[in-house]
Amino acid sequence: DAGVIQSPRHEVTEMGQEVTLRCKPISGHDYLFWYRQTMMRGLELLIYFNNNVPIDDSGMPEDRFSAKMPNASFSTLKIQPSEPRDSAVYFCASSLDGLLGNTEAFFGQGTRLTVV
Amino acid sequence: EDKVVQSPLSLVVHEGDTVTLNCSYEVTNFRSLLWYKQEKKAPTFLFMLTSSGIEKKSGRLSSILDKKELFSILNITATQTGDSAVYLCAGATSGTYKYIFGTGTRLKVLA
Repeated sequence: DAGVIQSPRHEVTEMGQEVTLRCKPISGHDYLFWYRQTMMRGLELLIYFNNNVPIDDSGMPEDRFSAKMPNASFSTLKIQPSEPRDSAVYFCASSLDGLLGNTEAFFGQGTRLTVV
Repeated sequence: EDKVVQSPLSLVVHEGDTVTLNCSYEVTNFRSLLWYKQEKKAPTFLFMLTSSGIEKKSGRLSSILDKKELFSILNITATQTGDSAVYLCAGATSGTYKYIFGTGTRLKVLA
């Protein structure tokens, strides 16, 4: 498996524009996580899905953020409208629900978002 | 509120030194603690610890969990410049299957 695949790797956009980040989890993994990483706040969990269903979105900062998982192999994180304070690296991760609980999370390479 | 705290925030050592990184946690329905290494890109998995007192080892790295005192340590012996990275620990919950990360310890190993 190629691992968790995210696109784009880098995104520069102007304030007010819509941004869509994409993620393909590892095949067969039951859980998908979206994280945001900044120097100030570290890795913050935004939302996670289990079997394509959103379980906890309490980390989503504002209504400007939304996430979907229409099928087991694809998820999107959308920011509309984007603001400069949204600039961060956004990671997608997936894990497998094993017999003893889920495995470690495997991370994608991240999308570095810059909003100017 | 669940939280994971790591110390020190940053550390500079010389090659050959031994370092100990600390992680304390307050996580509801705690199930396991994970350590990751992050160089320039994605965090990569090092260890998952679920039982107290059982050391996990991988080469020069080792880690142990104390569920009574709610902390874990990551030891790196005979450090090398390639160990320079941010080391993250995360508490994993049962039931909700969340991973809560600390802000990391930035380790720099000088030649």
